[in-house]
Amino acid sequence: SQTIHQWPATLVQPVGSPLSLECTVEGTSNPNLYWYRQAAGRGLQLLFYSVGIGQISSEVPQNLSASRPQDRQFILSSKKLLLSDSGFYLCAWSVIIQETQYFGPGTRLLVL
Amino acid sequence: SQQGEEDPQALSIQEGENATMNCSYKTSINNLQWYRQNSGRGLVHLILIRSNEREKHSGRLRVTLDTSKKSSSLLITASRAADTASYFCATVSGYSNYQLIWGAGTKLIIKP
Repeated sequence: SQTIHQWPATLVQPVGSPLSLECTVEGTSNPNLYWYRQAAGRGLQLLFYSVGIGQISSEVPQNLSASRPQDRQFILSSKKLLLSDSGFYLCAWSVIIQETQYFGPGTRLLVL
Repeated sequence: SQQGEEDPQALSIQEGENATMNCSYKTSINNLQWYRQNSGRGLVHLILIRSNEREKHSGRLRVTLDTSKKSSSLLITASRAADTASYFCATVSGYSNYQLIWGAGTKLIIKP
């Protein structure tokens, strides 16, 4: 069966520090991968998605970047965190774009 | 702006009662999906309904889709305390490049 892992679960970082969040998927090949951010009490905002290794589409211009160095690994990064980067970050995967997505447990990021 | 808008924003009912949540959207869609999110966790897919379908069932869940009114409803019958969660609709269309566009969710509380 397929599983998706995200780490860390929580992270407290100072403003201006770098960020690296990792997501890995097991049990499937060539998944579509997604990074979302969720503000408190709100819906999800798509940040990046990837249909293959090295292929990244950015949905929202921002302080973040994403990379897919391996088929089932998706990394969210920042060189310098801003206060506004605080939020709940979710990684997800799907077999087919526009179909069901499967979510990881999320990373809660607090930038102070 | 958000494609899917859930209504109500919050709903509190007694265990055993039925819960109905609504989702309205603005453009034509390929499909509409409902997800559940327990507090501080990742999202779990519930049901996907395609634009040519009018109703789908899964256990105690019933989803309807009215494309003429651009709306969908999620009915949970015989609610349980474990149904306490936030429920989100997400729409997919060519307008969104076939990515999911999320509403802000309905927070459902089931009182024992």
